Amino acid sequence: AQRVTQPEKLLSVFKGAPVELKCNYSYSGSPELFWYVQYSRQRLQLLLRHISRESIKGFTADLNKGETSFHLKKPFAQEEDSAMYYCAIRQGAQKLVFGQGTRLTINP
Amino acid sequence: DTEVTQTPKHLVMGMTNKKSLKCEQHMGHRAMYWYKQKAKKPPELMFVYSYEKLSINESVPSRFSPECPNSSLLNLHLHALQPEDSALYLCASSQAQLLAGGEQFFGPGTRLTVL
Repeated sequence: AQRVTQPEKLLSVFKGAPVELKCNYSYSGSPELFWYVQYSRQRLQLLLRHISRESIKGFTADLNKGETSFHLKKPFAQEEDSAMYYCAIRQGAQKLVFGQGTRLTINP
Repeated sequence: DTEVTQTPKHLVMGMTNKKSLKCEQHMGHRAMYWYKQKAKKPPELMFVYSYEKLSINESVPSRFSPECPNSSLLNLHLHALQPEDSALYLCASSQAQLLAGGEQFFGPGTRLTVL
């Protein structure tokens, strides 16, 4: 079964510094991967998905099949980026399997 | 309307009570989901409805009973719950087609406490 691993439960960086949230997956086929974000007191929402190759709020994530990774990156962190980030992989038509999540804190 | 709504926001119930959680969306999505989220944990899938039919049941105990009365509504009926069932229950919806992109839209959740 598909699985994603987020090795860091907590990540703290200073405002303006680069940030990278790690996600590794296990799947032998062509995975569909997503990053979801949950800001304080807000609902869980999609940040980006690998198939669209878009940049949202300055974040990008590249699928690296050789390293089976889908790390989330932003060159200059902002305080409003503080949130809980979940990497997720699609399993079948409708099932999403979430990683354990990384709580990102941006220090002023 | 581009949101998933859930009622109630909070629910406290005893182990002998019967209660229901409700979820509604008007985005034309034909797949709807129930997740359970414990504190500091990721959402865990419970049930999936596709075109108003139950398509996935993740071996959820029978004290949780889902219902999809129509394409916009999803209920979760609760009976004889245990204290360990206390959690945030999330509803989500998405397009049902395989190639539709996979984005799920989440509601704000119902915070359930079982005494």
